Amino acid sequence: KQEVTQIPAALSVPEGENLVLNCSFTDSAIYNLQWFRQDPGKGLTSLLLIQSSQREQTSGRLNASLDKSSGRSTLYIAASQPGDSATYLCAVKESGGSNYKLTFGKGTLLTVNP
Amino acid sequence: EPEVTQTPSHQVTQMGQEVILRCVPISNHLYFYWYRQILGQKVEFLVSFYNNEISEKSEIFDDQFSVERPDGSNFTLKIRSTKLEDSAMYFCAIRDRGNQPQHFGDGTRLSIL
Repeated sequence: KQEVTQIPAALSVPEGENLVLNCSFTDSAIYNLQWFRQDPGKGLTSLLLIQSSQREQTSGRLNASLDKSSGRSTLYIAASQPGDSATYLCAVKESGGSNYKLTFGKGTLLTVNP
Repeated sequence: EPEVTQTPSHQVTQMGQEVILRCVPISNHLYFYWYRQILGQKVEFLVSFYNNEISEKSEIFDDQFSVERPDGSNFTLKIRSTKLEDSAMYFCAIRDRGNQPQHFGDGTRLSIL
């Protein structure tokens, strides 16, 4: 059974700092990996989607990498801002089937202090 | 602008009552999903729906749960006889064909008393 773990559970940084959030998964047979942002009491906003054949994806100040063989992904946030404060979730879709069920990690709660 | 609108945003119900949660996509999509998130826990998959039928469901999705898309737009999740442990945020998600990401609504907070 696929398990997704995110480290650290919480992170507090000063504004302007570059930071890395980690995600690991137990079964490397994934189809793709998606990073989300969740604001308190809100839904999930999709940030980046990395296919299993890709090594990284970039969007603005965000860069996500994927090392499928070792079961790891990182989300790099450059020049962090207070508006980046949120919970960041990673989720994997396993290979096989076509239904795109996602298995989530518990998230990293990020606080960027002004 | 969200691609998915969920109603209500908050539902408070007595244990044993039936609840219906609604999801309205802005445009036509192929795949529909329900997930839930119990306070402080992971987001968990409940069910996926494609071509007007359930394509996959989790162990959580027992006989008390049902889904339907009655009029081609609304996508609903019904819980027939709610239990205290059904209290959670329920998220609807949609996806289009191909290697597209899932997009989530803002959720319905369900509180069972």
